[in-house]
Amino acid sequence: RKEVEQDPGPFNVPEGATVAFNCTYSNSASQSFFWYRQDCRKEPKLLMSVYSSGNEDGRFTAQLNRASQYISLLIRDSKLSDSATYLCVVRHGSSNTGKLIFGQGTTLQVKP
Amino acid sequence: GAGVSQSPSNKVTEKGKDVELRCDPISGHTALYWYRQSLGQGLEFLIYFQGNSAPDKSGLPSDRFSAERTGGSVSTLTIQRTQQEDSAVYLCASSLSGTTYGYTFGSGTRLTVV
Repeated sequence: RKEVEQDPGPFNVPEGATVAFNCTYSNSASQSFFWYRQDCRKEPKLLMSVYSSGNEDGRFTAQLNRASQYISLLIRDSKLSDSATYLCVVRHGSSNTGKLIFGQGTTLQVKP
Repeated sequence: GAGVSQSPSNKVTEKGKDVELRCDPISGHTALYWYRQSLGQGLEFLIYFQGNSAPDKSGLPSDRFSAERTGGSVSTLTIQRTQQEDSAVYLCASSLSGTTYGYTFGSGTRLTVV
């Protein structure tokens, strides 16, 4: 079983739609959580960190449920430019440092 | 520099040859990571350097892979006796220490073993 699991999709949605991605992680010692975005043939880029209380950045909302070891990303009012692969990422342990473990990614395609 | 710099951006090599991939992290970033991404796959952790601590080599797939970080800055990933399954994009990232920080990735080296 993968340590970070995501539905690979693809999710095909029309412009303006609201779409949600889910992710589960298996290591209960995970302490930090992130969503990254990766465009085709490009490097991943940090989209947002995920905080325990949930957090919002414009059209993007991230939530964390530690009890269920579950992370979500909600995108409202989808734009064509949101088309990309979204990577769920966790960091192990209580240290301030440590490797990030990446999910396989969920592909989003926003159609006109 | 302004970002993480990797070189070369593309490398084609013959099976059995050795290759060296270079990463120049963001100035002041104490942590440096190597990942690889095969076509259509997720990111696979390879190795991680943090300051002067011993590197975490737990992701290196075989003893043909090694990495060094000199002077706490530039890192070199070496693959000896390359195999076709080594073909992938090798991504380097750096970060500041801190639980809320993510990484900044370089644009990667696309390695093709023929």
